[in-house]
Amino acid sequence: QQQVKQSPQSLIVQKGGISIINCAYENTAFDYFPWYQQFPGKGPALLIAIRPDVSEKKEGRFTISFNKSAKQFSLHIMDSQPGDSATYFCAASKGGFQKLVFGTGTRLLVSP
Amino acid sequence: GAVVSQHPSWVICKSGTSVKIECRSLDFQATTMFWYRQFPKQSLMLMATSNEGSKATYEQGVEKDKFLINHASLTLSTLTVTSAHPEDSSFYICSATYRLGGEQFFGPGTRLTVL
Repeated sequence: QQQVKQSPQSLIVQKGGISIINCAYENTAFDYFPWYQQFPGKGPALLIAIRPDVSEKKEGRFTISFNKSAKQFSLHIMDSQPGDSATYFCAASKGGFQKLVFGTGTRLLVSP
Repeated sequence: GAVVSQHPSWVICKSGTSVKIECRSLDFQATTMFWYRQFPKQSLMLMATSNEGSKATYEQGVEKDKFLINHASLTLSTLTVTSAHPEDSSFYICSATYRLGGEQFFGPGTRLTVL
């Protein structure tokens, strides 16, 4: 019940395309859903986050869509760029950022 | 702002030795620090949570006698891997937050290789 399932495991998108990564959770007590971007050999960096009272949040080229009834949320990267090539993790927590439960990660490659 | 550093960035040690990893919040006082472990191409797994001046809280399955955590000040937490073995080889990442429930800021990680 503490797991967060993430798909796909890897993704190749052409430059300018849309990258879509999906996550699903079981624990309805989760109330915070952040996405992190991680480059090789670096720690993860917060990209964007959403709370369950909002169905969508957009920041620049990054959008989170949240479906509370389905217990799913997704990250959309519009106009994907080669610099977006990284591993993306979804996460979930209850009580803000108290204890993050991470998804399994998606390796995104944006081809030039 | 909100920068977290780790030292060393990588370390190689012999089996049976102990290794200390430092995590520092450079421009804020961290009420809470977290330690994660990440195996290659896998997700981050929370190992323990530590608050300044108190004992760390370990996640289920994490050996507290093997992974010693000391949060001596509001800007420094250390993780000591005692009697390291090859299976302890991993990427160790810390994070810190300056308020309860607030955003966690992650360090760059430490790559530990035990020969």
